[in-house]
Amino acid sequence: DVKVTQSSRYLVKRTGEKVFLECVQDMDHENMFWYRQDPGLGLRLIYFSYDVKMKEKGDIPEGYSVSREKKERFSLILESASTNQTSMYLCASSRGREKKAFFGQGTRLTVV
Amino acid sequence: EDQVTQSPEALRLQEGESSSLNCSYTVSGLRGLFWYRQDPGKGPEFLFTLYSAGEEKEKERLKATLTKKESFLHITAPKPEDSATYLCAVENNAGNMLTFGGGTRLMVKP
Repeated sequence: DVKVTQSSRYLVKRTGEKVFLECVQDMDHENMFWYRQDPGLGLRLIYFSYDVKMKEKGDIPEGYSVSREKKERFSLILESASTNQTSMYLCASSRGREKKAFFGQGTRLTVV
Repeated sequence: EDQVTQSPEALRLQEGESSSLNCSYTVSGLRGLFWYRQDPGKGPEFLFTLYSAGEEKEKERLKATLTKKESFLHITAPKPEDSATYLCAVENNAGNMLTFGGGTRLMVKP
């Protein structure tokens, strides 16, 4: 069974902290994505990656960075967490040119 | 800029009461339209991909259809376990990103 695993289901961090969200996929997919999901705004793409060490900005990259050192792992970094980054974060992966994406279970991040 | 609008935002049905969810889109060359189901507190789960107008896909009580401007997700004789948020997304010819709609929250009462 295909799997995208996010390191935490729930996180509470303080304003100004550096936050790491980790995502691992076991399907040997080339593409990986980070979204955030907020009520009334739907899913918005933060960053994506086509390959190891490759990254592309999505619609809302400000305040975030990413790292992809290995094919199976894609990390989202909040350099200095702020309260407006409180959200549900979803990682996804897909194969090659396919856009049929498989999602992780999500990380609900609260910044206080 | 690609846009996806889903309606209604929320839909309450009685068990067995068939209905349809709408996904209207504007996109610079549609490469694919995707339907996902999302249960509370979980990530979206893939349901269907539609590629061209006139195409239909079915899975159990769900049937997805596609025209040049919109897609419908028809739910026939729904059961309480069909309660979830249904998300629609489009891929255009140029990019590698999906644009998602806001979703329709479906509640099916026994």
